[in-house]
Amino acid sequence: DIQMTQSPSSLSASVGDRVTITCRASQSISSYLNWYQQKPGKAPKLLIYAASSLQSGVPSRFSGSGSVTDFTLTISSLQPEDFATYYCQQSYSSFYTFGQGTKLEIK
Amino acid sequence: EVQLVESGGGFVQPGGSLRLSCAASGFTFSSYSMNWVRQAPGKGLEWVSYISSSSSSIYYADSVKGRFTISRDNANNSLSLQMISLRAEDTAVYYCARDKWDLPGDFDYWGQGTLVTVSS
Repeated sequence: DIQMTQSPSSLSASVGDRVTITCRASQSISSYLNWYQQKPGKAPKLLIYAASSLQSGVPSRFSGSGSVTDFTLTISSLQPEDFATYYCQQSYSSFYTFGQGTKLEIK
Repeated sequence: EVQLVESGGGFVQPGGSLRLSCAASGFTFSSYSMNWVRQAPGKGLEWVSYISSSSSSIYYADSVKGRFTISRDNANNSLSLQMISLRAEDTAVYYCARDKWDLPGDFDYWGQGTLVTVSS
């Protein structure tokens, strides 16, 4: 299976900050990389698909980049509603795998 | 509006069985591949199983292969997960998730989840 490793595992930031979360795949996954946001007690929400495509309805402060094995999710200016846990996920292999998650907390 | 509503979760003893269902509405169910994804309490997300729109392709995570069976009824817009030989480590919230059209593995809509607890 393809292993997905996110860093950091947790992050403290303030409203208005620019934040970057990274995700590394254990082998090449081209651009088959998605990002999800999950708030406590809620289902995950797709933010970015195909590494850099913004899902419909997602604010433009979210962006994704990268290819092959290294990817990033950037939030350009944190808003109060962005404090949540973020997961990357590969869809290159039919056996989909997620990163362990990055918990974004208020500083 | 796309809606996915899971049901069938509950408390079961180790070795027991349970059948989860997911009722879909607001889209042409027969045109989309579907998945089950689970999340153990306080843990991350784990993909469980995939089924193509016509049921011609089915995949399972190694952790559930041979114990779980995914199926769908396109006439009734429903997705199911039959789970047998349940273990404590199967305890989780189970979500059904739709694939973005023509992009298998990109989960664009999720249900609210149903909790399965396996314990003696």
